Amino acid sequence: QKEVEQNSGPLSVPEGAIASLNCTYSDRVSQSFFWYRQYSGKSPELIMSIYSNGDKEDGRFTAQLNKASQYVSLLIRDSQPSDSATYLCAVIYADSGNYQLIWGAGTKLIIKP
Amino acid sequence: SQTIHQWPATLVQPVGSPLSLECTVEGTSNPNLYWYRQAAGRGLQLLFYSVGIGQISSEVPQNLSASRPQDRQFILSSKKLLLSDSGFYLCAWSYGRVTDTQYFGPGTRLTVL
Repeated sequence: QKEVEQNSGPLSVPEGAIASLNCTYSDRVSQSFFWYRQYSGKSPELIMSIYSNGDKEDGRFTAQLNKASQYVSLLIRDSQPSDSATYLCAVIYADSGNYQLIWGAGTKLIIKP
Repeated sequence: SQTIHQWPATLVQPVGSPLSLECTVEGTSNPNLYWYRQAAGRGLQLLFYSVGIGQISSEVPQNLSASRPQDRQFILSSKKLLLSDSGFYLCAWSYGRVTDTQYFGPGTRLTVL
């Protein structure tokens, strides 16, 4: 069974520090990886997608993908209290022409002023 | 630009009553459409997805059903609600490729009493 694992947290990080969120997945047959942010009571919003090994940067956010080790990370630099939210990782598996999007349960991040 | 709408925003219904939630997308044609449910403190559970008018795929057996009467309209229904149907219902859309990013509507908070 294909799975996406995230530490549920909460992960507490002081304001201004780097927050590091991790996500592991169970199957090497995976193509696309997504990080979403979900504020309490709100719908998920896309932060970043990544498809190739390595780093992808967008402002204060950096996604890191390592397909050999089967993990994808999200780094948030200069963390702000407004970054406090639950971060969802999603992975698209492709298997013999069938595609399946699997969601992690999310990591709750708390940025302390 | 594309916009996704959901209504109502909140709903309180008695057990055994019917349900109809609506989702519409603007600014794109022939999108893939999705219905998710998120229980309190949990991850996203895919309920239904649709790649075109009248084409519905169900991911989990339940007392819910979905319909797509128009290209950009997706409806989630139930004839008789259960207590376990309570949750946050999210509609999402993506472009036609299965590997494309999903974008979420604002959601409907359903409480079944």
